[in-house]
Amino acid sequence: DTEVTQTPKHLVMGMTNKKSLKCEQHMGHRAMYWYKQKAKKPPELMFVYSYEKLSINESVPSRFSPECPNSSLLNLHLHALQPEDSALYLCASSQDTGAGEREQFFGPGTRLTVL
Amino acid sequence: GQNIDQPTEMTATEGAIVQINCTYQTSGFNGLFWYQQHAGEAPTFLSYNVLDGLEEKGRFSSFLSRSKGYSYLLLKELQMKDSASYLCAVRRNYGQNFVFGPGTRLSVLP
Repeated sequence: DTEVTQTPKHLVMGMTNKKSLKCEQHMGHRAMYWYKQKAKKPPELMFVYSYEKLSINESVPSRFSPECPNSSLLNLHLHALQPEDSALYLCASSQDTGAGEREQFFGPGTRLTVL
Repeated sequence: GQNIDQPTEMTATEGAIVQINCTYQTSGFNGLFWYQQHAGEAPTFLSYNVLDGLEEKGRFSSFLSRSKGYSYLLLKELQMKDSASYLCAVRRNYGQNFVFGPGTRLSVLP
């Protein structure tokens, strides 16, 4: 199983809503990532979890709150988002955060629209 | 800081060879990755370079020159399905901190 799954595929939310994005992998990977991708732009790294601990936070606003309940799951909790947060949110995983060819496996993404 | 540059768009003909360049300036370098992303889909891994030289994987090859801050992806025997965006990504030397280039949109014409 070399798949990263993400739910939901699409999400529309108001600026006062609270919602969560979910990501799951069963490859035994110990590093998981959240990226944000706007249309026709490259993915921008948001968070990195290594062995279920947050290791990188790329100065992301606190209205985005990541959580890694166990080594297979990664959540992104959303609260009081702005319309400019509308984007494709990609989850990825890799074997770990060591050196070498640690390719990332990406999920299909959640397309988020904030009204 | 870091800066990664790629051509925005390229066009090539089916069966031809195309070279997509990537130049980078980054504080700390710990490898360069190439990903392919079809429209509306997630990126998929193509190749990895950390030492200078050429890495070959079937129809795809990638080259790195660390002293020049330069890499290229070479696609041979182009097929229509190769129409996609190609992203180079630099890993900085702490953790798995990736910075993606802007991507090159490749169109393969019959």
